[in-house]
Amino acid sequence: SQQGEEDPQALSIQEGENATMNCSYKTSINNLQWYRQNSGRGLVHLILIRSNEREKHSGRLRVTLDTSKKSSSLLITASRAADTASYFCATDADDNFNKFYFGSGTKLNVKP
Amino acid sequence: DADVTQTPRNRITKTGKRIMLECSQTKGHDRMYWYRQDPGLGLQLIYYSFDVKDINKGEISDGYSVSRQAQAKFSLSLESAIPNQTALYFCATSDGLAEFFGPGTRLTVL
Repeated sequence: SQQGEEDPQALSIQEGENATMNCSYKTSINNLQWYRQNSGRGLVHLILIRSNEREKHSGRLRVTLDTSKKSSSLLITASRAADTASYFCATDADDNFNKFYFGSGTKLNVKP
Repeated sequence: DADVTQTPRNRITKTGKRIMLECSQTKGHDRMYWYRQDPGLGLQLIYYSFDVKDINKGEISDGYSVSRQAQAKFSLSLESAIPNQTALYFCATSDGLAEFFGPGTRLTVL
């Protein structure tokens, strides 16, 4: 299976701290994406990183991609209570970029 | 108005009943998807469609069927619902780079 796996499964931090989540996958990809899901709601797209990119930034988000290790990390800096959510990585497959494979997610709790 | 809408938002039904979940989108995307999510888990792909004439099975299509009535509409049916189909169901569209999700349908099969 191409499915990505996030690590850790759960993370609890204080407001203002940084949160780092990791994603590993199994086969070659065209791009990798990170999504956020607030409890019981639909996923919201956060950021996309292509296979030829190593790092991308969007506001307080920083994503890195290491294709040699088949892994990615999502860093949220200066976390806020509103960042409390589950975070998922999603990968396509380089032979079928129309399908996305989601991991089981990291549940982030930011304590005020 | 939301770009991807799902109806109903919540549904409780009994084993053996036929259920249809509907999805509509105003994003103009050709690609549409149905996923299911079980508590504490990620998404599993049920079916996906690249246009009105194209339907493809995902990882867990058994027990489900779909219909792509128009570019904007993609419905999911459970022909004979069973309790282990109790889950949160999401419809999504894609522009080929990112997916855009509906708010979900919480289905309970008793």
